[in-house]
Amino acid sequence: ETGVTQSPTHLIKTRGQQVTLRCSSQSGHNTVSWYQQALGQGPQFIFQYYREEENGRGNFPPRFSGLQFPNYSSELNVNALELDDSALYLCASTSGGGRGTYEQYFGPGTRLTVT
Amino acid sequence: DQQVKQNSPSLSVQEGRISILNCDYTNSMFDYFLWYKKYPAEGPTFLISISSIKDKNEDGRFTVFLNKSAKHLSLHIVPSQPGDSAVYFCAVHNNAGNMLTFGGGTRLMVKP
Repeated sequence: ETGVTQSPTHLIKTRGQQVTLRCSSQSGHNTVSWYQQALGQGPQFIFQYYREEENGRGNFPPRFSGLQFPNYSSELNVNALELDDSALYLCASTSGGGRGTYEQYFGPGTRLTVT
Repeated sequence: DQQVKQNSPSLSVQEGRISILNCDYTNSMFDYFLWYKKYPAEGPTFLISISSIKDKNEDGRFTVFLNKSAKHLSLHIVPSQPGDSAVYFCAVHNNAGNMLTFGGGTRLMVKP
């Protein structure tokens, strides 16, 4: 069984630029959620994708957007990067749109630094 | 507004003793509660969970207790081992938003 994988591991961007982060879900999982973890804090929910549609969204502005592909992999796109976007971005997968199976399984994360 | 709080940022315990990590929540509509463990440079790892219809769930050395009237969740690790040293996050499933809401984490250090 393959776990959740994310790429890249680390990324440095300049304020105002755009970034794309990628995630492959655990085999058998069709639901992907993205979280932002700032230093010293718990992960914060950005959004979830199920069957290629957004299936829930946290309190993040529209410049945070995502995609899910037919193979259930997903992308997180952030436009007009700000210094406060510097964080660890975590992808988590589960099945069934998150209904009935509440445990989510996380990847190792992408560390984004905005300068 | 912090819906999930872990009031102890750190906890130090001697090997072999019990570790107790605590978590408080504000919304009585939360229906499922989870604990995750996180090592540096890794993503959170699911540890144990409990449904709101239960008050205790046990898995080996790990037991989670849920006190709904107090809106309080705790994780007991016994006996504690040095390999348990990590940051522990409690999380709640919010059916309204179909998401997990995490506490700020407690860093556990188990001393040999």
